[in-house]
Amino acid sequence: EDKVVQSPLSLVVHEGDTVTLNCSYEVTNFRSLLWYKQEKKAPTFLFMLTSSGIEKKSGRLSSILDKKELFSILNITATQTGDSAVYLCAVEDGFGNEKLTFGTGTRLTIIP
Amino acid sequence: DTGVSQDPRHKITKRGQNVTFRCDPISEHNRLYWYRQTLGQGPEFLTYFQNEAQLEKSRLLSDRFSAERPKGSFSTLEIQRTEQGDSAMYLCASSLVQRVETQYFGPGTRLLVL
Repeated sequence: EDKVVQSPLSLVVHEGDTVTLNCSYEVTNFRSLLWYKQEKKAPTFLFMLTSSGIEKKSGRLSSILDKKELFSILNITATQTGDSAVYLCAVEDGFGNEKLTFGTGTRLTIIP
Repeated sequence: DTGVSQDPRHKITKRGQNVTFRCDPISEHNRLYWYRQTLGQGPEFLTYFQNEAQLEKSRLLSDRFSAERPKGSFSTLEIQRTEQGDSAMYLCASSLVQRVETQYFGPGTRLLVL
């Protein structure tokens, strides 16, 4: 059974700090790893990673995948209160169904 | 707004009652997924459709749950004889085939079983 473990479960930092969120996974047939941001409702897509060592970047957010060690990190620099959310990591298996297995998420709280 | 809509947004029901939720996907998306999310957990896969065909069901989907996607457009998820353990957020998502990055989620239906 595919498994995704995220750490830490929750994190409280001050505005302007940099944070690193971790995601490790076990999947029988890996195809991709995705990061989502979830505020009060639906998860919204941030990044999809398929290749090791290639950083994906969007503004203050960036993510990288290590397929050998089976983990990914999500970095957020110069955090803002609007970054407060649950960040979900998910893996897609390679069986062509785009079914996602999610971790429990990291709840990030930014204090002004 | 991702373009995926769900109805109702909230449902409170008594144990033993049947409930039905609806999902309208993005019109050009031929894959449709149902997930369940409980407090403090990530979404868990329940089932998915390609067009009108239901291709996979999770072990989580007991025989009290049934999902349909007639004509390959909107989908319904019915829970019969609800139990308190069914209380959760039910999320629908849709995507293009083999384009997981296009998997957009609806706002969810929050179910509370009393």
